[in-house]
Amino acid sequence: AQSVTQLDSQVPVFEEAPVELRCNYSSSVSVYLFWYVQYPNQGLQLLLKYLSGSTLVKGINGFEAEFNKSQTSFHLRKPSVHISDTAEYFCAVSDRANAGNMLTFGGGTRLMVKP
Amino acid sequence: EAGVAQSPRYKIIEKRQSVAFWCNPISGHATLYWYQQILGQGPKLLIQFQNNGVVDDSQLPKDRFSAERLKGVDSTLKIQPAKLEDSAVYLCASSDTGGNQPQHFGDGTRLSIL
Repeated sequence: AQSVTQLDSQVPVFEEAPVELRCNYSSSVSVYLFWYVQYPNQGLQLLLKYLSGSTLVKGINGFEAEFNKSQTSFHLRKPSVHISDTAEYFCAVSDRANAGNMLTFGGGTRLMVKP
Repeated sequence: EAGVAQSPRYKIIEKRQSVAFWCNPISGHATLYWYQQILGQGPKLLIQFQNNGVVDDSQLPKDRFSAERLKGVDSTLKIQPAKLEDSAVYLCASSDTGGNQPQHFGDGTRLSIL
């Protein structure tokens, strides 16, 4: 079984400042890792994914994440945030050996960008 | 390409009533998922279909929830009878087959139980 912990439930930040949203996972097997974003009253949209290869993954909207196997982390970063980045962000994992691609989500981090 | 379509967007019912949600996945996606997202939490998988067969329904409260995917395309999720704790957003997602395939989500149905 897997679990995902997003350490911060809310992250307030000023516009144009950098931000890091933290994600740690626990799994007895190798995993794929994902970050999704959810805007108010909408479904989840894929930001980026780590499948294999380079541990630094770039996604949409200027976001990137780094996979750290030894620390079982997959933190999301953006060097300069915009007001439009205000949303809920979810980290998720799936079991590599499971062709069914079932996702286990963290509890989410609400990013609040202030002018 | 058209995204995952869900209806209705909002539903308000009284406890002990029944309700049904509909989902139309992205064309060609064999795998379909239903999630429950309670306010302030991450989505929790209720059931996963591969074509019209169930892959996993271990977290589906089968005494009151049911789901079907006839003909391997559209799907419906039903709750009967509804309880107060069923108030949540119900999200449908679809993906291509394979563990590394990202899931594409619909906008969800927000269910309120009075």
